Amino acid sequence: QSALTQPPSVSGSPGQSVTISCTGTSSDVGGYNRVSWYRQPPGTAPKLILYEVTNRPLGVPDRFSGSKSGNTATLTISGLQAEDEADYYCSSYTSSSTFVVFGGGTKLTVL
Amino acid sequence: QVQLVESGGGVVQPGRSLRLSCAASGFTFSSYGMHWVRQATGKGLEWVAVISYDGRNKYYADSVKGRFTISRDNSQNTLYLQMNSLRAEDTAVYYCAKDFVSACTSGHCSSTRLGWYFDLWGRGTLVTVSS
Repeated sequence: QSALTQPPSVSGSPGQSVTISCTGTSSDVGGYNRVSWYRQPPGTAPKLILYEVTNRPLGVPDRFSGSKSGNTATLTISGLQAEDEADYYCSSYTSSSTFVVFGGGTKLTVL
Repeated sequence: QVQLVESGGGVVQPGRSLRLSCAASGFTFSSYGMHWVRQATGKGLEWVAVISYDGRNKYYADSVKGRFTISRDNSQNTLYLQMNSLRAEDTAVYYCAKDFVSACTSGHCSSTRLGWYFDLWGRGTLVTVSS
């Protein structure tokens, strides 16, 4: 069981928007802004798409955005494209002895 | 070319040891903390360990503490993970990953400066623990 809770799957049609939630506790998501999101297409390594809740690394399109409220962080992907199909993981620094926790991952299907 | 390349994975019996390596290129390796993250087949990501830019600070996940040791050789731009007393549950693809935040700013470096998120990943190396 992962420390952060994500929905197992979400789906949307091309051009639509989808959101993926990531729920933790006050020891991780709620207590720090060190929340990050990763995209992992099948058979490839993860890629950072958001860091510190809302910031995009260079080269990540602004279709990807993030927010946080309390113990829940949210990734929003707007203008869905077929190539957005992948697994998405959230992560957070935690004050526990584990230091970093991940969500269980969410499989995004573009219909 | 900015990249990380892992090696050293393979099949090993329970209780035995294995050492993974990660060769870095294209960036100032000695200025960044480095992590190991693993992923069992069909499962999610699990953070394993981190080492500060200078090797002074090392932190581990509870699941590997006392069995795994992270180290680095900045002269060779290489990260290592020594894995002892391996268990079946250690079976996974092991990724090395670069910390996003540089430990060095304005000529001053701090071994506690870490972002705890990962902007460069290798392709991974598979470790299978089985008798």
